[in-house]
Amino acid sequence: DAGITQSPRYKITETGRQVTLMCHQTWSHSYMFWYRQDLGHGLRLIYYSAAADITDKGEVPDGYVVSRSKTENFPLTLESATRSQTSVYFCASSESSGGANTEAFFGQGTRLTVV
Amino acid sequence: AQKITQTQPGMFVQEKEAVTLDCTYDTSDQSYGLFWYKQPSSGEMIFLIYQGSYDEQNATEGRYSLNFQKARKSANLVISASQLGDSAMYFCAMGANQAGTALIFGKGTTLSVSS
Repeated sequence: DAGITQSPRYKITETGRQVTLMCHQTWSHSYMFWYRQDLGHGLRLIYYSAAADITDKGEVPDGYVVSRSKTENFPLTLESATRSQTSVYFCASSESSGGANTEAFFGQGTRLTVV
Repeated sequence: AQKITQTQPGMFVQEKEAVTLDCTYDTSDQSYGLFWYKQPSSGEMIFLIYQGSYDEQNATEGRYSLNFQKARKSANLVISASQLGDSAMYFCAMGANQAGTALIFGKGTTLSVSS
């Protein structure tokens, strides 16, 4: 199916464990993003990528690692999960920067609970 | 630094009435885009409308219009003839028209439509 998909949709993990959230898009969009959504904070940018092998930090990158070896995949890893990382995580992609093409297309979200 | 402010945590409206959701922004960029997204209770992010900073006319998409006042740095979303299905969280977002940037989001406004 065309689009952007995240997996898993729901995840419960223990404090200190490493967990990876997957994101895959079929449009060959250059730009991909990871946001976290928390009550009272809206969506905050964790990391983004302008192309394969190019990544950059967003507003809240601490505790997260990303990679982008292929254009279509942009996994997000929590190296040692903490309770403060309990959140809903959204992956998004866009065709380019500039104008209406900056519109971000979102995955369904991953609800992560760290216990 | 760019910033989006949505000052209304919650709004209530009756069916068939119009409602305005406020959004103000701050940026030093001359060229940028403004977006509105809808997030229903199911969680997905749905793109609604886009306005470019150089667009002279306000954007419209069906029942959605964007009241863009550049001098005031506001980009309010107007929903005409509200429907029960409009009940959702609404996010205002901004993106600079330059490579390597990501959308930044406000904290959102919850709209409740009653019959």
